[in-house]
Amino acid sequence: AQSVTQLDSQVPVFEEAPVELRCNYSSSVSVYLFWYVQYPNQGLQLLLKYLSGSTLVKGINGFEAEFNKSQTSFHLRKPSVHISDTAEYFCAVSEAQGGSEKLVFGKGTKLTVNP
Amino acid sequence: GAGVSQSPRYKVAKRGQDVALRCDPISGHVSLFWYQQALGQGPEFLTYFQNEAQLDKSGLPSDRFFAERPEGSVSTLKIQRTQQEDSAVYLCASSSSGRSNTEAFFGQGTRLTVV
Repeated sequence: AQSVTQLDSQVPVFEEAPVELRCNYSSSVSVYLFWYVQYPNQGLQLLLKYLSGSTLVKGINGFEAEFNKSQTSFHLRKPSVHISDTAEYFCAVSEAQGGSEKLVFGKGTKLTVNP
Repeated sequence: GAGVSQSPRYKVAKRGQDVALRCDPISGHVSLFWYQQALGQGPEFLTYFQNEAQLDKSGLPSDRFFAERPEGSVSTLKIQRTQQEDSAVYLCASSSSGRSNTEAFFGQGTRLTVV
């Protein structure tokens, strides 16, 4: 079984500042890693995913994440945030290599960007 | 539209009432998922279909929950004798293949409130 821990439930930050949202996972099998964003009253939208290869993954809206196998982490970063980045961010894993397609999510991190 | 559509968007049910939640996936998508998102939590897996076959229902919390996808397209999640703990947002997602590295597209969800 897999589990995902998002260490910060809320992250306030000023506009144009950098931000890092932390994610750690636990799994006995290889996993794929995902970050989803949820704007108010919207469904989840995929930001980026790590399947294999380069450990630095770039996604939409200027976000990137780095997979660290030894630390079982997949932290999300953006060098300069905008007001419009205010949303809830979810880290998720799924079993790799023919495993179940279901996603296991963390509890989410609410990012608030202040002017 | 081209996205995953869920109806109704909001549902208020009296305790003990039966409810049915509908999901229209993206046309041609093979896989369909249901997740439950309680307030302040990440989505939790309920069940998974590949075409009309329900391959995993391990996340359904009790036998009051039932899901079907009879023609491999539209799916319905039914909750019998609703309880207050069933209050949550129910998310539907679909993906184009049966592989765990494929992006899942989420609907906006149905917010169920049991009073």
